[in-house]
Amino acid sequence: AQKVTQAQTEISVVEKEDVTLDCVYETRDTTYYLFWYKQPPSGELVFLIRRNSFDEQNEISGRYSWNFQKSTSSFNFTITASQVVDSAVYFCAIRGGADGLTFGKGTHLIIQP
Amino acid sequence: GAVVSQHPSWVICKSGTSVKIECRSLDFQATTMFWYRQFPKQSLMLMATSNEGSKATYEQGVEKDKFLINHASLTLSTLTVTSAHPEDSSFYICSPKRGDRVGGYTFGSGTRLTVV
Repeated sequence: AQKVTQAQTEISVVEKEDVTLDCVYETRDTTYYLFWYKQPPSGELVFLIRRNSFDEQNEISGRYSWNFQKSTSSFNFTITASQVVDSAVYFCAIRGGADGLTFGKGTHLIIQP
Repeated sequence: GAVVSQHPSWVICKSGTSVKIECRSLDFQATTMFWYRQFPKQSLMLMATSNEGSKATYEQGVEKDKFLINHASLTLSTLTVTSAHPEDSSFYICSPKRGDRVGGYTFGSGTRLTVV
């Protein structure tokens, strides 16, 4: 069984601040994939990133960056210079084998102007 | 690529009626379809997995007779909520898997079901 823990239920910051969303996972699979999705109020899931278990290289995409550390089973997500449009619920998820995704409970991010 | 169409986007139905949700992969063939359910302010939970031409596999606690899944073609899968009750009110999202690709999955835009 796999498990994803997003300990931060809600985070509120002022615009332009940096914010990090934590994600800790559990799996017995040696090969697995980690994901981050954004879910705005409309409900649609917006894919942000996929990382496989063999690639621990950190990634940066614009204001977004991800820190994958197998030693601590963490896949944290940082938004630099946050904007109001970043307000949403963010889900971390894991997939191993041929199964569907196992999602964390999500972090509700509120960016205040 | 990877365009997914899910309909309807929202539906309100009376208790006891059935509702059908359609999920289409418009520009690829989906050998596997995942259906998720999301209750308000909660996470997404996998309900079932279906492979084209086969019976769906349901997660523990999901009633297969209530949630009928049909995956008759590589581009269309349907989820029918039978004899719906208020506790079935939820956000349902489909996720087709492209062929033998591993990793990233695309998602439909979701269907918000309200049973009154």
